[in-house]
Amino acid sequence: AQSVTQLDSQVPVFEEAPVELRCNYSSSVSVYLFWYVQYPNQGLQLLLKYLSGSTLVESINGFEAEFNKSQTSFHLRKPSVHISDTAEYFCAVSGDHNTDKLIFGTGTRLQVFP
Amino acid sequence: DGGITQSPKYLFRKEGQNVTLSCEQNLNHDAMYWYRQDPGQGLRLIYYSQIVNDFQKGDIAEGYSVSREKKESFPLTVTSAQKNPTAFYLCASSISTGSDEQYFGPGTRLTVT
Repeated sequence: AQSVTQLDSQVPVFEEAPVELRCNYSSSVSVYLFWYVQYPNQGLQLLLKYLSGSTLVESINGFEAEFNKSQTSFHLRKPSVHISDTAEYFCAVSGDHNTDKLIFGTGTRLQVFP
Repeated sequence: DGGITQSPKYLFRKEGQNVTLSCEQNLNHDAMYWYRQDPGQGLRLIYYSQIVNDFQKGDIAEGYSVSREKKESFPLTVTSAQKNPTAFYLCASSISTGSDEQYFGPGTRLTVT
């Protein structure tokens, strides 16, 4: 069975500071990995995804994540956060390639302070 | 303008009543999904459908029912058998099976008293 662990339920950080949101997964098969972002009372939006190839993937708004197979991790990083990055971030894994079923982590609330 | 719509945004019901949540997509996606979101628990899959007239139970299907009579529509009924129905419900769709991302609707917040 697959699972996703996001160890930090909340991450407070000051504006322009770097941030890392941690995600670890377990799976017996090859996986696809995703980070989604959710702003208050809204649906989820895809931030970035790893399917294959380069282990470092980037989003258009400065986030990046690195797939580390040996550590079964897919941590999300940003070198300098903005107030507008305040949101909930979900890591998800898909290992069943006959469907698009995703297993989500419990989420990390990123709070950026001025 | 392609996307997923969910209506209504807020829904209030009395305990013991069935309620149906709407989900419509105009993305021409084959697969659709229903998730339930509770604080601190992430998203949990209720039902999913890979093709019209076919659907499968997810991890927490008890007390819920769905139908998929049209490609663009996947309504979810929360029945009176669902013991804890108050939650935020999210509908999603994806192009087909494989590596495709899921696109999410804006959600419906259901409150049952």
